[in-house]
Amino acid sequence: SAVISQKPSRDICQRGTSLTIQCQVDSQVTMMFWYRQQPGQSLTLIATANQGSEATYESGFVIDKFPISRPNLTFSTLTVSNMSPEDSSIYLCSAGTNRAGEQYFGPGTRLTVT
Amino acid sequence: ILNVEQSPQSLHVQEGDSTNFTCSFPSSNFYALHWYRWETAKSPEALFVMTLNGDEKKKGRISATLNTKEGYSYLYIKGSQPEDSATYLCASADGNQFYFGTGTSLTVIP
Repeated sequence: SAVISQKPSRDICQRGTSLTIQCQVDSQVTMMFWYRQQPGQSLTLIATANQGSEATYESGFVIDKFPISRPNLTFSTLTVSNMSPEDSSIYLCSAGTNRAGEQYFGPGTRLTVT
Repeated sequence: ILNVEQSPQSLHVQEGDSTNFTCSFPSSNFYALHWYRWETAKSPEALFVMTLNGDEKKKGRISATLNTKEGYSYLYIKGSQPEDSATYLCASADGNQFYFGTGTSLTVIP
């Protein structure tokens, strides 16, 4: 298993600004992922964070809006850029050995955009 | 994209009652079914991973079954306790990624 921490745990941001969320895993993991849960919706995969290279984004998500870094096997960041109220969500990172195997989740970042 | 549905959306039960929820998923391209328990401000906690049709898993008072042919899984909680209050998520994996349902929010009333 893996223990995952995220910061910040919550934030309230103004429209048009950007927020960077950090995710730290307590052990080296093969894969790290970023998810979003909008109010009343299911957890949706944003992208797979690849170590040392560009993230792989799912349909509907683009690098300009959600730039992701993964400089090593235990750390990743997600930036929510040029925020609008529609970006108000819970953002979670997770880690696992492959895309469909067991995943361990962080506690999430609750973002409110005003 | 897989459409995973959970029902009911929310549930209130009295302490000591037993309860169950449903997760429905497309049976084609099925790889695995995951159940998570998610308390507010905490990390979703993995409960079960099931892959085979007819699988049954148990963890204390919580158990789950899987029917891959008809595309559903049941989660059962026996003798609910207030500490069972949480959102229960299921995710179907197709070998490429997870697809989550919207969850069932359980409140156990003391």
